[in-house]
Amino acid sequence: AQSVSQHNHHVILSEAASLELGCNYSYGGTVNLFWYVQYPGQHLQLLLKYFSGDPLVKGIKGFEAEFIKSKFSFNLRKPSVQWSDTAEYFCAVKVYNQGGKLIFGQGTELSVKP
Amino acid sequence: NAGVTQTPKFQVLKTGQSMTLQCAQDMNHEYMSWYRQDPGMGLRLIHYSVGAGITDQGEVPNGYNVSRSTTEDFPLRLLSAAPSQTSVYFCASTMAGGDTEAFFGQGTRLTVV
Repeated sequence: AQSVSQHNHHVILSEAASLELGCNYSYGGTVNLFWYVQYPGQHLQLLLKYFSGDPLVKGIKGFEAEFIKSKFSFNLRKPSVQWSDTAEYFCAVKVYNQGGKLIFGQGTELSVKP
Repeated sequence: NAGVTQTPKFQVLKTGQSMTLQCAQDMNHEYMSWYRQDPGMGLRLIHYSVGAGITDQGEVPNGYNVSRSTTEDFPLRLLSAAPSQTSVYFCASTMAGGDTEAFFGQGTRLTVV
């Protein structure tokens, strides 16, 4: 069965620190990859997505992610975090052309100290 | 642009009560799904539908029923609520093909006492 693994459950950073959140998935075929963010008390919002092409994708609010097919990874990065980035981050995978089923990782809670 | 609309936003139930969580989308998406979100477990798929009249079970379907009589609506029913169903529930919709993203509702925070 397909699965998604996020390595960090809780990350604490100071403002201006760099961020990298790991995400690995287990599926050998073509996939769509996503990072969603959930701010406290809010619903899920799409940060960025990878469908095909350039493996380095840029999203909103200065976030980017790199798809490394050989490592089945889709890590999220931001060079300098802000207090407002405090949220929970979810990696998700959709198997291409197998309907719309999204498989989520466990989530990473990011706390940014001012 | 309503997107995905979920109601209610909050609900408290007593054990054994039944209720329906409503979900509607206005984007003509074929695929709709329900997830529950619990701390440390991410979002787990409860049920999904690939079109009107077609539903299937996800990862954690026990205790929940769904139906899909129209493209727009995908209600989730709890027939006899249990404390283990205390969670935050999200409805999502997307086009069924590849290279498409999912859109989520605002969520329903359900507490079963």
